[in-house]
Amino acid sequence: DVKVTQSSRYLVKRTGEKVFLECVQDMDHENMFWYRQDPGLGLRLIYFSYDVKMKEKGDIPEGYSVSREKKERFSLILESASTNQTSMYLCASSPPFANTEAFFGQGTRLTVV
Amino acid sequence: QKEVEQNSGPLSVPEGAIASLNCTYSDRGSQSFFWYRQYSGKSPELIMFIYSNGDKEDGRFTAQLNKASQYVSLLIRDSQPSDSATYLCAVRADRGSTLGRLYFGRGTQLTVWP
Repeated sequence: DVKVTQSSRYLVKRTGEKVFLECVQDMDHENMFWYRQDPGLGLRLIYFSYDVKMKEKGDIPEGYSVSREKKERFSLILESASTNQTSMYLCASSPPFANTEAFFGQGTRLTVV
Repeated sequence: QKEVEQNSGPLSVPEGAIASLNCTYSDRGSQSFFWYRQYSGKSPELIMFIYSNGDKEDGRFTAQLNKASQYVSLLIRDSQPSDSATYLCAVRADRGSTLGRLYFGRGTQLTVWP
């Protein structure tokens, strides 16, 4: 079974803190993604990566950065957390081939106070 | 910006009924279509995928794809209370700089009442 593991299920951070969300997949997938999900807004893509050290901005990259130093690990960084970044964060991975789905981690519920 | 639209919910059906979920997409070149189910507080899980025009059946679930109309649907037969969840339609970008990215609709919340 494909496994995508996010480092934390729940996190509470203070405004202004630097926050790291980690994601690891064990299926040697090239593609990895970070989404946030908010009620009524659906899943919105923050960043994605097709390969090691490669990243592309998604639809809402402001206030976030990412790092992919190894193929299996994709990190999302909140440089200076703000209350409007309180959300559910979902990591996903997929193979590069056509007609393949993405597999999701269990999600991280981040609260910024 | 590729768009994926789902019929607005919430949708409420009695146990044993057929639930019909609909989705339209804007990119005519899309080839891969997915339905994910998401229970409250959980992450999305894949329940169906479809690549060819027509119907695809898997147990109580049937996905229907009409590329000419840019329309994909999910039918759930003999709906059960355990089917109560949010259903997300996703369309994969199969070419260009966004190859591999999934574009999601906002989801349709389904409630099946006993």
